[in-house]
Amino acid sequence: KAGVTQTPRYLIKTRGQQVTLSCSPISGHRSVSWYQQTPGQGLQFLFEYFSETQRNKGNFPGRFSGRQFSNSRSEMNVSTLELGDSALYLCASSLDPLAAQYFGPGTRLTVL
Amino acid sequence: AQTVTQSQPEMSVQEAETVTLSCTYDTSESDYYLFWYKQPPSRQMILVIRQEAYKQQNATENRFSVNFQKAAKSFSLKISDSQLGDAAMYFCASGGGSEKLVFGKGTKLTVNP
Repeated sequence: KAGVTQTPRYLIKTRGQQVTLSCSPISGHRSVSWYQQTPGQGLQFLFEYFSETQRNKGNFPGRFSGRQFSNSRSEMNVSTLELGDSALYLCASSLDPLAAQYFGPGTRLTVL
Repeated sequence: AQTVTQSQPEMSVQEAETVTLSCTYDTSESDYYLFWYKQPPSRQMILVIRQEAYKQQNATENRFSVNFQKAAKSFSLKISDSQLGDAAMYFCASGGGSEKLVFGKGTKLTVNP
């Protein structure tokens, strides 16, 4: 069974731009969560989607948004990029919100 | 709000020996789950072991086992017969009910040959 895939793997943007990251969960998984990982803050929860509904949201500004499609694929968008948004963005999928999460390889975003 | 604390930023172990990584957590949920994840350098986060809080029996996965002390809200990971490939960042996490998955800051494990 294919694992969680994330595209693109690497991204370089400049301040003020916006970016869209994509995540395809493991087949059959309906829950998708997003995390931001930085050396200083560690792993911080962004949002969780289950069956196209946002179930939980972390403490991030409104510039961070996400959605989930009917095939469980998910996207997250960051608008008006700031230098501090440079991070590894991880997506994880699970059968349901209480099940173990399986992570993708991440998208490394660099904001210049 | 849930919190997860890993008090050991770094640990080291000799190859073939045993090491224990500590984790304490706090949650208001009555039904929750605990996890240990491993993240090798520049590689993908991997689930190591999962424990349901309602189960008294400690979870075991090959060389990895946990010591789950529910009353003390402690969830340590024991790695037996350590191998070079075990070198990684290890994250403890807690989640369940309506709560999102919360991760600790991680413990960097070095395995010395």
